[in-house]
Amino acid sequence: KNEVEQSPQNLTAQEGEFITINCSYSVGISALHWLQQHPGGGIVSLFMLSSGKKKHGRLIATINIQEKHSSLHITASHPRDSAVYICAVRDYNTDKLIFGTGTRLQVFP
Amino acid sequence: DADVTQTPRNRITKTGKRIMLECSQTKGHDRMYWYRQDPGLGLRLIYYSFDVKDINKGEISDGYSVSRQAQAKFSLSLESAIPNQTALYFCATSDAPSSYEQYFGPGTRLTVT
Repeated sequence: KNEVEQSPQNLTAQEGEFITINCSYSVGISALHWLQQHPGGGIVSLFMLSSGKKKHGRLIATINIQEKHSSLHITASHPRDSAVYICAVRDYNTDKLIFGTGTRLQVFP
Repeated sequence: DADVTQTPRNRITKTGKRIMLECSQTKGHDRMYWYRQDPGLGLRLIYYSFDVKDINKGEISDGYSVSRQAQAKFSLSLESAIPNQTALYFCATSDAPSSYEQYFGPGTRLTVT
């Protein structure tokens, strides 16, 4: 079983829909990262959080440490949001990042 | 200009050849990392370096070596490339311990035939 599980693996949406991507993990962590990978391959960091909730524009990330679960929400989705979204956790003991396999999101006009 | 650059961006090479992937950063970070990405798998750590004199193996270091020539430069070598090293390779930096956010290069797509 992977230490970081994301769901769903693939997601399609119509423009304007509210999107939720989930991440569950099984190790003790010091932080959780949400990353975005565009079709060209480059990876950018969206959020790093260790508790509660963060918001940036139309993106919201939440984490529940007790339940070992995080969600990434996209409000009013747009075709430019089409990308792979990757959850990664920083292992508390090793200080290394463990990555999920990603969620591929396609938003259609 | 990008803060983390990788060269080459694409490379096709033959089995048995030696190849070097280079990474440079202008962020002034001490920590640098090499990851590989394969379809259906999460990124996996190959090597990481906390400073010029501190280089460590990651989870999949076999078949790879690295060199940290300066704070800004971290190179990954495949001594004798094999087809299952075909993958997308990413360099990343971090300014840990002040912040653990990672900054990724654009990636190098390597194909070994």
